[in-house]
Amino acid sequence: EAGVTQFPSHSVIEKGQTVTLRCDPISGHDNLYWYRRVMGKEIKFLLHFVKESKQDESGMPNNRFLAERTGGTYSTLKVQPAELEDSGVYFCASSPYLGYGYTFGSGTRLTVV
Amino acid sequence: KQEVTQIPAALSVPEGENLVLNCSFTDSAIYNLQWFRQDPGKGLTSLLLIQSSQREQTSGRLNASLDKSSGRSTLYIAASQPGDSATYLCAVRRDDKIIFGKGTRLHILP
Repeated sequence: EAGVTQFPSHSVIEKGQTVTLRCDPISGHDNLYWYRRVMGKEIKFLLHFVKESKQDESGMPNNRFLAERTGGTYSTLKVQPAELEDSGVYFCASSPYLGYGYTFGSGTRLTVV
Repeated sequence: KQEVTQIPAALSVPEGENLVLNCSFTDSAIYNLQWFRQDPGKGLTSLLLIQSSQREQTSGRLNASLDKSSGRSTLYIAASQPGDSATYLCAVRRDDKIIFGKGTRLHILP
């Protein structure tokens, strides 16, 4: 089966611009998660979708971040406007049901200059 | 608040040696524990998943143990190879999210 796919793999944008990250989970996986790793820190949870609904968005840093999951399929994470501290690697993961292991994508490396 | 600690932060060993990576967590109320591998510039590859009711899991040269009551897990790598060089991450699942450690950077010397 195809794995979790993330686009783009790298993005360099200027402070104040908008960037949209996309994640295509494994087909049939209802649970989709976003995580990110900023420099020198551990990977941290951002939010969790169950199908198209946000189950938990307690990890979203502020209202500059907006996540959507259209029709319960792919998901987008928009950062608007981007700030320097948003730089890091954004990971997406999916899981068919609770208790099952996660499958992660390769991540999107975001650099804000 | 759940915290996951991995020791050591970095490790270099000669090829062929057996080694142990350590992970500790502060809250024993976990659903499962997962060990991942991350290669530079790449995503996270799941190595082993241990459910809270299990004590260990094995895959090839890898063996992971879980002692939930003491809040500890170890990842044992037998007969290390240069291709094992990567960052190894421990993550515990609580509710609908997983909590990661900072990882151990492993370098196997040819």
